[in-house]
Amino acid sequence: SQQGEEDPQALSIQEGENATMNCSYKTSINNLQWYRQNSGRGLVHLILIRSNEREKHSGRLRVTLDTSKKSSSLLITASRAADTASYFCATDVPGDYKLSFGAGTTVTVRA
Amino acid sequence: DTGVSQNPRHKITKRGQNVTFRCDPISEHNRLYWYRQTLGQGPEFLTYFQNEAQLEKSRLLSDRFSAERPKGSFSTLEIQRTEQGDSAMYLCASSPDRGVLHEQFFGPGTRLTVL
Repeated sequence: SQQGEEDPQALSIQEGENATMNCSYKTSINNLQWYRQNSGRGLVHLILIRSNEREKHSGRLRVTLDTSKKSSSLLITASRAADTASYFCATDVPGDYKLSFGAGTTVTVRA
Repeated sequence: DTGVSQNPRHKITKRGQNVTFRCDPISEHNRLYWYRQTLGQGPEFLTYFQNEAQLEKSRLLSDRFSAERPKGSFSTLEIQRTEQGDSAMYLCASSPDRGVLHEQFFGPGTRLTVL
């Protein structure tokens, strides 16, 4: 079963614009991670935020976490064509190591 | 770069045949995971190893599926009597034993097509 849900399902933006996608989950978590997947390929880890953190930055990525609302957002600033991919949030719960993924947001960056 | 590797990358088989996939994790990682991903969906957990011990299996892992990690290094996932519903991307991931941080490193996946 999939714990997370991403919103929107698909996003199309112009190069240089910002892209924001959201993830909601159902149960209390240990960590929340964001992964990127280019078409038909494996997942690349982007960023991990712990349940006691509220915001984290990595390069052009900004992740927020609101545990009271059981939601997270991923912001990609100044998007590039190479950012075209599917983005997944994944959560793990205390005492467990497996990740539960959402269905993903497909981002298309137009040149 | 010695990341997670998976072989084969693609496998086409006829219904009823057996298939086996291999995963080589990052060498110092003692945790290894298998996930399955169907088109338009996120990966779903199948099973997890800590060293050579298989510690958890999903209900998705029917009795036609078996996974091994005999020496705590590489792992194999075998599907017997394949069905068309087994068509999917099979992803392997590994992670170090590092407290509560569960960042997992994924391989490129094996895409299975059952005709």
